[in-house]
Amino acid sequence: NAGVMQNPRHLVRRRGQEARLRCSPMKGHSHVYWYRQLPEEGLKFMVYLQKENIIDESGMPKERFSAEFPKEGPSILRIQQVVRGDSAAYFCASSASISNTEAFFGQGTRLTVV
Amino acid sequence: AQTVTQSQPEMSVQEAETVTLSCTYDTSESDYYLFWYKQPPSRQMILVIRQEAYKQQNATENRFSVNFQKAAKSFSLKISDSQLGDAAMYFCAWLNEKLTFGTGTRLTIIP
Repeated sequence: NAGVMQNPRHLVRRRGQEARLRCSPMKGHSHVYWYRQLPEEGLKFMVYLQKENIIDESGMPKERFSAEFPKEGPSILRIQQVVRGDSAAYFCASSASISNTEAFFGQGTRLTVV
Repeated sequence: AQTVTQSQPEMSVQEAETVTLSCTYDTSESDYYLFWYKQPPSRQMILVIRQEAYKQQNATENRFSVNFQKAAKSFSLKISDSQLGDAAMYFCAWLNEKLTFGTGTRLTIIP
């Protein structure tokens, strides 16, 4: 039973490029959460999605960031026109229910903007 | 707004000794969950222990236990018989619909 899979593990982008981060939840999980971790800081909530729906995006920057969780396939966090300040580790977690008491984390994607 | 505060950026403990990591939180909710996560250098977030707010009994998982004081909104983690493999960042987290994390405590184990 594979855990939460995130890819790529490391992503390097030049300023102005687009970054796409993928998250495949655990089998049977239909709830996905994205978090961002800046160096030496805790994880900050970005967005909560269920299949085909954004439930809570209160932590998402208003511009350049978007997320989706289609009916088929992984959840995607997309960052357009990346800037140096977007450099961080991005974590995905999945759960089977809204209560999220059994959330499991992926290993994260470290985005470096050069 | 819900906040989680970890006032100890760094802690160290001698191997085989006991260490306590502090965490306080602020919420007006009455029903919620609290967690401690461990993040080793691999960056993997590992769930260490979970506490339901409605349970008065403190959670325990092997060498890890919590001191949950609901009225004081305090949720400390005690690690007994510290081992080298316990070295990591430890994050306290509060859950309603989403997890809210503290800023973490870096734990060093001294051989």
